[in-house]
Amino acid sequence: EIVMTQSPATLSVSPGERATLSCRASQSVSSNLAWYQQKPGQAPRLLIYGASTRATGIPARFSGSGSGTEFTLTISSLQSEDFAVYYCQQYNNWPAYTFGQGTKLEIK
Amino acid sequence: QVQLVQSGAEVKKPGASVKVSCKASGYTFTSYGISWVRQAPGQGLEWMGWISAYNGNTNYAQKLQGRVTMTTDTSTSTAYMELRSLRSDDTAVYYCARAGMVQGVITRWGQGTLVTVSS
Repeated sequence: EIVMTQSPATLSVSPGERATLSCRASQSVSSNLAWYQQKPGQAPRLLIYGASTRATGIPARFSGSGSGTEFTLTISSLQSEDFAVYYCQQYNNWPAYTFGQGTKLEIK
Repeated sequence: QVQLVQSGAEVKKPGASVKVSCKASGYTFTSYGISWVRQAPGQGLEWMGWISAYNGNTNYAQKLQGRVTMTTDTSTSTAYMELRSLRSDDTAVYYCARAGMVQGVITRWGQGTLVTVSS
């Protein structure tokens, strides 16, 4: 099983600043990596797939990078609605997926 | 539009079974597989397994092998997830989900079903 490790567990950032979230895979997943955002009481929402492709309707302030085992989600200028929990997910060995444990992005 | 509508909340005793349904609409049901993902209170997302709505092929998470069964009913465009021998740590919100054009990338989620296991 591919293990996905996210860091940090919690990230405190002020509105308007940049946030950088990390995700590491225990073995290469190529570019088969997605990022999701989840707010309390809601299902997750797809942000990024293919490591760097924004999903439909996702603002340009969200960007993804990386390949192989190291990935990054960057939010360039945090808006109030961006404070949430973020999960990475590998789908390289579909139909078996694994998620990271999540990074909580909170207001500083 | 694509919708996945799940059955309502359940309360079960330890050792019992639960069966959650997920009714799909707005697309050709047999063209996409259905994944099941659960989330314990205050915890992260855990992939449980996947079923092809085309031929019924399944792939289950290793830790749930032997306790989980996923099925589909193509006549009603409904997917089911049954979990047996319930324990307190099975208490969670259970989501059904569907990928889009890229296999493995989840673009649609059900609203979630809370399953509480308590004596």
